[in-house]
Amino acid sequence: EAGVTQFPSHSVIEKGQTVTLRCDPISGHDNLYWYRRVMGKEIKFLLHFVKESKQDESGMPNNRFLAERTGGTYSTLKVQPAELEDSGVYFCASSPRGFNEKLFFGSGTQLSVL
Amino acid sequence: AQKVTQAQTEISVVEKEDVTLDCVYETRDTTYYLFWYKQPPSGELVFLIRRNSFDEQNEISGRYSWNFQKSTSSFNFTITASQVVDSAVYFCALSYNRGGSNYKLTFGKGTLLTVNP
Repeated sequence: EAGVTQFPSHSVIEKGQTVTLRCDPISGHDNLYWYRRVMGKEIKFLLHFVKESKQDESGMPNNRFLAERTGGTYSTLKVQPAELEDSGVYFCASSPRGFNEKLFFGSGTQLSVL
Repeated sequence: AQKVTQAQTEISVVEKEDVTLDCVYETRDTTYYLFWYKQPPSGELVFLIRRNSFDEQNEISGRYSWNFQKSTSSFNFTITASQVVDSAVYFCALSYNRGGSNYKLTFGKGTLLTVNP
């Protein structure tokens, strides 16, 4: 069974540009989460989808970040325009519907904004 | 507010040594969940264990063991007879139950464990 897949694994962009990160959860997982780790800090929650609906987006830093989940399958996280402080590792995780024991994480996208 | 503290930023041991990774948490919730995740060099976070706040039994899984003590708000992780393959960043995390959003995890900063041959 394929795990959570994130693309790209690395992205280097200049300040002011737009970047779109993609996450393919494990097939059949209704729950999808985005987390971010900024250098030297904790991994922090960004948002949670249940199928295509945003359940909780309280962790989104500002309106330069837009997350979508098309048809309850894959998800994208767009940063527009990117700022220097957006640099970090963006993790995606998924879990099946209902009460779950664990999240399945992807390997993350390393975003560097220069 | 929730908080997880992993005071050890980096630990280096020699293979076969035992090592304990510390985790201290803060929460006002009576029902909560504690986790440990491992991040090997490949980057993904690998689930190791989940404990709920009502289950203070210690757990052992092979060379891994976990010591949960509510009295000291700690959830420490011990690797016995460490191996080079245990080298990774280990994260302790905490979550709570809020209307179905069980898995809004609060992470510690992680502990980088290096096991030298």
